[in-house]
Amino acid sequence: SAVISQKPSRDICQRGTSLTIQCQVDSQVTMMFWYRQQPGQSLTLIATANQGSEATYESGFVIDKFPISRPNLTFSTLTVSNMSPEDSSIYLCSVQRGSQETQYFGPGTRLLVL
Amino acid sequence: SQELEQSPQSLIVQEGKNLTINCTSSKTLYGLYWYKQKYGEGLIFLMMLQKGGEEKSHEKITAKLDEKKQQSSLHITASQPSHAGIYLCGAADPNAGGTSYGKLTFGQGTILTVHP
Repeated sequence: SAVISQKPSRDICQRGTSLTIQCQVDSQVTMMFWYRQQPGQSLTLIATANQGSEATYESGFVIDKFPISRPNLTFSTLTVSNMSPEDSSIYLCSVQRGSQETQYFGPGTRLLVL
Repeated sequence: SQELEQSPQSLIVQEGKNLTINCTSSKTLYGLYWYKQKYGEGLIFLMMLQKGGEEKSHEKITAKLDEKKQQSSLHITASQPSHAGIYLCGAADPNAGGTSYGKLTFGQGTILTVHP
């Protein structure tokens, strides 16, 4: 399995501000993934973060709104910029691990935007 | 794009009863994941299935992938209150990342309540 930690675990923010979420993995991984889970909804992939290159964003998500950093093979950050109440969600990072490339998820960051 | 349909959407059972959750895909499944989520928390990995007809078990939970690789089921035997939560199936995108399984598409989830 993979040990994944996220900071902060939760936050309440004012609209128009930005929040940076950190994801730390216990060992090196090639790809890290950022997902969003809006209230009552299932998970949606935001982007794939590769070390040494720009993140790859899914349709409907843009770098200006969700800038991602991947400075090394164990760490990534996701920033939610210029927040609005619609950004209230759980944000989860995810990694692949093992010979069968099982996908594991972090504990999530619960964000509430007022 | 691939779509996953889970049924039922919610399930209420008495402790000790067996139950089954289904996950049906609009396309062939190349990797099917089952996760459990407690309200407002992260996802706990349960099992991953890749081969048609594959079946895996862990404690009282058994997951199967049908031969055609378009449907999976999760069966819980003698349910307990600790089994309560949201069960999610996720499918790997075979077109992402070459030989590695990439992004996952998820079903809408099944909310399980177990009454003691």
